[in-house]
Amino acid sequence: GAVVSQHPSRVICKSGTSVKIECRSLDFQATTMFWYRQFPKKSLMLMATSNEGSKATYEQGVEKDKFLINHASLTLSTLTVTSAHPEDSSFYICSAREDRANTEAFFGQGTRLTVV
Amino acid sequence: SQELEQSPQSLIVQEGKNLTINCTSSKTLYGLYWYKQKYGEGLIFLMMLQKGGEEKSHEKITAKLDEKKQQSSLHITASQPSHAGIYLCGADFTGANSKLTFGKGITLSVRP
Repeated sequence: GAVVSQHPSRVICKSGTSVKIECRSLDFQATTMFWYRQFPKKSLMLMATSNEGSKATYEQGVEKDKFLINHASLTLSTLTVTSAHPEDSSFYICSAREDRANTEAFFGQGTRLTVV
Repeated sequence: SQELEQSPQSLIVQEGKNLTINCTSSKTLYGLYWYKQKYGEGLIFLMMLQKGGEEKSHEKITAKLDEKKQQSSLHITASQPSHAGIYLCGADFTGANSKLTFGKGITLSVRP
């Protein structure tokens, strides 16, 4: 079945630095990928929709300059948390669907970000 | 308001028992997705339902979508410790490979 790979699975960074998270669709093309954030014991909150070759669409309340999304190819989207702060510590997870109707949405393994 | 409600919030069952969890939408769905998650890990796709009245099964898990396409149930037969985890339902409200809106999840514990 379709596989989505997310890297890294865990990262610790210092306040003020930037962290890049990668999301790859391994055996299918994904024009659209989605980035979610999950707080402890909470549901997944959509942050943004990543569109290949164009700007990402951000959900209300999500800072575009804070969470930079780049979808440079049909198999790769990246999320960069810029100038990270401890409140950015969270579990980030990406999702991708094949470019055809009525397909499953597959998720990456998630990235646990800790900002110290 | 929450568009997708899951119930119960948590569930503890004895190994071997059957159980049912629910996902109710405030709007008609284009698609309803069930996932399982271990804490701190990714989501494992279980089933996708799109048609009113649809029912799908995989191993000991059966998911149904009602005729109105607003409620789904997931039933586990003869539960095992391996079934323990967080069950999330995700709703596609607009179709066309759009984003999913998730419920808060149901934490299932299975006692050996």
